[in-house]
Order: sequence, then structure tokens, then C-alpha cells
Amino acid sequence: EVQLVQSGAEVKKPGESLKISCKGSGYSFPTYWIAWVRQLPGRGLEWMGIIYPGDSDTRYSQSFQGQVSISADKSISTAYLQWSSLKASDTAMYYCARPRIVGTGTDAFEIWGQGTLVTVSA
Amino acid sequence: DIQMTQSPPSLSASVGDRVTITCRASQSIRSYLNWYQQKPGKAPKLLIYVASTLQSGVPSRFSGSGSGTDFTLTISSLQPEDFATYYCQQSSSAPVTFGGGTKVEV
Repeated sequence: EVQLVQSGAEVKKPGESLKISCKGSGYSFPTYWIAWVRQLPGRGLEWMGIIYPGDSDTRYSQSFQGQVSISADKSISTAYLQWSSLKASDTAMYYCARPRIVGTGTDAFEIWGQGTLVTVSA
Repeated sequence: DIQMTQSPPSLSASVGDRVTITCRASQSIRSYLNWYQQKPGKAPKLLIYVASTLQSGVPSRFSGSGSGTDFTLTISSLQPEDFATYYCQQSSSAPVTFGGGTKVEV
């Protein structure tokens, strides 16, 4: 079964760092882009950025450039989303997602992780 | 970035109703338009890609149409499990962008 499994919910304080993960299985992880999507409480979906695990080529939305860091370790089929200094406004659900087509970053997202809820509160 | 505008933001419907949701792109995206369904507490689920192709396993009561800038998602006969929020997404160019969502409620 093709799936993406994300790390568990996190509760952090403002200023703390955080790295959440997304592990792929059931397919060739290095050959499919992995995207990160944010969903603020009660709001819509925002594409944050995308990484190609095969060579770690990474692209960011302008809205998130410099705010987060996306990385991947193809040896363990895992992608990461990282913050160096969290803010309360980072409180959201974060999803990883895989496009339908191998090697294509701009495509429909066929496979989604279950989401990681990040809560940032003093 | 390409802006995606969905309408209406919400709608009330009953089981058996025909429901239509529209999505407009700020510039031509050819047929690179995808539709998702999201239920509370769950990840989005791909319903339709490249405007009109039904994802495997999705019931045939869902259909999509359109090209260029104007697109439509239609549910021919609303079922109880269809009450959810629906999002369009363009995958014509990076960054991919989503519409604001349409909540279908009783």
C-alpha cells in the first residue's frame, strides 16, 4: 500500500524549534516530489513548498521562504519540515502530499499524510 | 501566483440534490485543475484531476468540467457521505494554488 505517515502532534512554546516528518512507503520514494501543505484552524489549504528526495531539489512558496526549511533523507524515505523559531501564528495542521505522476512537482496530490497538528502557545 | 476563486463559499443542500461548485482561475490553466474533498479532521482526498478525470474509486456521481479559467464540480445526487468541504487546485504552474473551499452542508 502506498502511504505517507507523519509524525505525531506537537505542542511547543514560541521561539522553540521543531522538525516534523513524513515517511513514505509502498513506492519509490526518491522519484516522487513531496509537498508540504498548511491548513490554519478553520481555513483553507496553502502550498508551502516541495522537495525532490532524489537530489533534494527544493522549492518554496514566497509566503514561506525563510520561515521554514524542507529537507529529505532518501535512505530512510522520509521528508521533513522544520522551524528554527516557532510563532503562535504557526499553529496549524501540516500535511505532506505526493503528486500522482513520478518526477512531476506540479500535479494533483494523490497521496496525503494524515497530518501533523502543531500547536504553539506560551 | 495564479489565484483560484471558488463559489459559493458554502451551500446548503439535501440528500438527492444536484450540487454545482465553480472555480475560476486568474489566468488560463488549460485543463490543469483538480478537485479535492475534505471531511473534518481528515486529510484532503483527490476526487478529480485534469478537470474531468475521475480518480480511481471515486463514485461516478462526481464529475468535473471546464478549461481555461472556468471550471465546475458537479455532484449529481448528493449522498450523506458527501457533506464536506471541496477545494479546487491548479497544477498548471508553480506554485500550485488552492481555491478557498466550498462547504457543503445540510
